[in-house]
Amino acid sequence: SQKIEQNSEALNIQEGKTATLTCNYTNYSPAYLQWYRQDPGRGPVFLLLIRENEKEKRKERLKVTFDTTLKQSLFHITASQPADSATYLCALSSGSARQLTFGSGTQLTVLP
Amino acid sequence: DGGITQSPKYLFRKEGQNVTLSCEQNLNHDAMYWYRQDPGQGLRLIYYSQIVNDFQKGDIAEGYSVSREKKESFPLTVTSAQKNPTAFYLCASSIPAGDGWNEQFFGPGTRLTVL
Repeated sequence: SQKIEQNSEALNIQEGKTATLTCNYTNYSPAYLQWYRQDPGRGPVFLLLIRENEKEKRKERLKVTFDTTLKQSLFHITASQPADSATYLCALSSGSARQLTFGSGTQLTVLP
Repeated sequence: DGGITQSPKYLFRKEGQNVTLSCEQNLNHDAMYWYRQDPGQGLRLIYYSQIVNDFQKGDIAEGYSVSREKKESFPLTVTSAQKNPTAFYLCASSIPAGDGWNEQFFGPGTRLTVL
């Protein structure tokens, strides 16, 4: 069966460091991978989308990589700030299936 | 302001009762979705609709029903057949992309508690 794993439920880092979150998948051939941020009690907010033929995508302090051979995406936040503390969700979709499958998320805490 | 609204924010119901959650969007998006989120878990798709008067079951549709009579509205009914309805419910919308799928915009969610 298809499976998405975000390999750490919680990640604590010091302010100013780079946070790296991992999303691994099995039995899946996604055409797109997306990352969302979710604050407690609120709906997710879209951050970045990367396609299967793209290796890397950047947006301000955010960077996403997509390795279809390793079946893995890495999500980086550089120069992290306490305001970056939230749960980050990865989501995958295939081109034919008009729906997203979400991972369970990684809760990031940036310590001042 | 454009966006997605869900009401109510908190909802309590007695076991055995049906309840309808509201979702409205003024983004002019064709596609709409309902997800369920349980503590410490990701989002699971209940139903989705790509166009008015059409919708498809997601991964966990049993015990739920939807309608899509208007482009801007996609209400979800949680029926008494849903065995464990207490959860956080999220509605989302998007513009279907020609070559795949675009980002989804989420509402603020409705937290349903069955007493």
